Amino acid sequence: SQTIHQWPATLVQPVGSPLSLECTVEGTSNPNLYWYRQAAGRGLQLLFYSVGIGQISSEVPQNLSASRPQDRQFILSSKKLLLSDSGFYLCACPPRGVNTEAFFGQGTRLTVV
Amino acid sequence: AQKITQTQPGMFVQEKEAVTLDCTYDTSDQSYGLFWYKQPSSGEMIFLIYQGSYDEQNATEGRYSLNFQKARKSANLVISASQLGDSAMYFCAMRVSMKTSYDKVIFGPGTSLSVIP
Repeated sequence: SQTIHQWPATLVQPVGSPLSLECTVEGTSNPNLYWYRQAAGRGLQLLFYSVGIGQISSEVPQNLSASRPQDRQFILSSKKLLLSDSGFYLCACPPRGVNTEAFFGQGTRLTVV
Repeated sequence: AQKITQTQPGMFVQEKEAVTLDCTYDTSDQSYGLFWYKQPSSGEMIFLIYQGSYDEQNATEGRYSLNFQKARKSANLVISASQLGDSAMYFCAMRVSMKTSYDKVIFGPGTSLSVIP
């Protein structure tokens, strides 16, 4: 079965610093991958999706970027963090077909100070 | 546009009682799937139950059941015999098939459930 690893689990970064969050997938090949952000007490907002190496689509304009350097690796980045980038970031693998669920990593809790 | 609405920001339920968490959705697609996820304070997303748009019977998984009313576009989650460990955020989500090779999953704002001993 699929397993999604995210790190780090928690991160505190100053405003203006760079960011790199990593997500790797095991147990499947050529996965579609998503980055979601969850603000405190809110639902999940889809930020980026990727259907393959080097293929990234953005759902909302923002301060963040994503890259897919390898089939099972998905990276979320920022050159200069803003306070509004604080939140809980989840990497996910969407459903592959009928009656299957999306798989999520454990998440990274980012606090920008 | 596709949308998930959860109108209950917070709910309280007495231990061992049943509780219903509301979810309505909006889509023009004929084929879609509906999910419920539980998110405890640790942040992990735990899959609970799935209902396909063409499924005629309501989905059930242990103490969880999904009250699917297609004409009303509602997919309420019923938790029977609530336990203290059920205290968490609950998200209703919908799988939307895109024209390209991927499916998008959109989420509602969530309902915070607190189980009272």
